[in-house]
Amino acid sequence: DIQMTQSPSSLSASVGDRVTITCRASQSMAIYVNWYQQTPGKAPNLLIYAASSLQSGVPSRFSGRGSGTDFTLTISSLQPEDFATYYCQETYSIPYTFGQGTKVEIK
Amino acid sequence: EVQLVESGGNLVHPGRSLRLSCTASGFPFGDYGLSWFRQAPGKGLEWVGFIRSKTYGGTTEYAASVKGRFTISRDDSESIAYLQMNSLKTEDTAMYFCTRHGGAADFDYWGQGTLVTVSS
Repeated sequence: DIQMTQSPSSLSASVGDRVTITCRASQSMAIYVNWYQQTPGKAPNLLIYAASSLQSGVPSRFSGRGSGTDFTLTISSLQPEDFATYYCQETYSIPYTFGQGTKVEIK
Repeated sequence: EVQLVESGGNLVHPGRSLRLSCTASGFPFGDYGLSWFRQAPGKGLEWVGFIRSKTYGGTTEYAASVKGRFTISRDDSESIAYLQMNSLKTEDTAMYFCTRHGGAADFDYWGQGTLVTVSS
């Protein structure tokens, strides 16, 4: 199984900050990575697919980069509604492993 | 509008069975694969299994943790996918989500989830 190592596990930031979350895969997977946002009690919400494609309806302050084994999610200017937990996921092969999650909290 | 709605979650005793449903609308259900994921309280997300569309044989795949106990099926005429869970264990306690794949982006739409609690 592919392992997805996500960092940091949590971070504190202020509104307007630029935030970057990293995910490293245990083997190369081209661009088969999704990024999700999840708030308590809700389902994951797809932000980025295929490493860098913005899902329809998602604000342009979210962006994704990477290929092979190293991937990043960047929020260019953090907004109050962005305080949530973020997950990367490999969509290359089953079992479609997720990273451990990054909780973004208000500083 | 694409919608996926899970139902059937409940409190059950270890060793018992439960069937979850995922009712879809707003897209050609038969053209898509369907996956089930779960999330234990306070934990991360785990893939449970999926069923391919009939175009790809309608076959299934499962996570090692549920293989042999869980079965996924689909009724394309009703736009429903099912997750039959047998021999439930306390570690199966989780919110269960269904999601689709096969479009431009896999796992683009998720249901709101249904809670399964396995406890004596």
